[in-house]
Amino acid sequence: DGGITQSPKYLFRKEGQNVTLSCEQNLNHDAMYWYRQDPGQGLRLIYYSQIVNDFQKGDIAEGYSVSREKKESFPLTVTSAQKNPTAFYLCASSIIMGGYQPQHFGDGTRLSIL
Amino acid sequence: AQKVTQAQTEISVVEKEDVTLDCVYETRDTTYYLFWYKQPPSGELVFLIRRNSFDEQNEISGRYSWNFQKSTSSFNFTITASQVVDSAVYFCALSMNRDDKIIFGKGTRLHILP
Repeated sequence: DGGITQSPKYLFRKEGQNVTLSCEQNLNHDAMYWYRQDPGQGLRLIYYSQIVNDFQKGDIAEGYSVSREKKESFPLTVTSAQKNPTAFYLCASSIIMGGYQPQHFGDGTRLSIL
Repeated sequence: AQKVTQAQTEISVVEKEDVTLDCVYETRDTTYYLFWYKQPPSGELVFLIRRNSFDEQNEISGRYSWNFQKSTSSFNFTITASQVVDSAVYFCALSMNRDDKIIFGKGTRLHILP
């Protein structure tokens, strides 16, 4: 079945540590996105990518980094500079970039601080 | 500025009751798109519907219906004869034709009580 796979489902970060969240899609979608979800806050866009080797900052990119070396993969690194990383992280994709395109989402990764 | 407001943070109804989730949006664009997504306890967001700004026809899909009114900038979602499986967080979202991003409301948590 086509879809988006996020791993791991749960992740713990120690002080000063970088951690990487994986996102893989087999939908052949060009555009991919990372969102952060906090309780009662809705979804906030961290980074997005329209094509391979290109990505743009979203609304809350500070303390995060991404790469897009392959069409199907868009990993997110939460760096030690992100002082409040505890949240639920969702990866999404759409056929192409464009406000009218519905996005397809993965199951999410829940990140906590140790 | 573009904005989506879901004033109902949490709603509880007894199974088989009808329930309406409110969504009010703000934009100065004449072309825009409205979405509803469902987030069940498993975490992934599931796309339910997209409506463009030029189509004010109401839509019905099984027990789900949507009422789009440009005059009041609202895009409300009604579940008829609710079921326990409808329990989830529901997000209303807005995007503009020219913009790549989707703006999400903060969501409404719906509890259907058996």
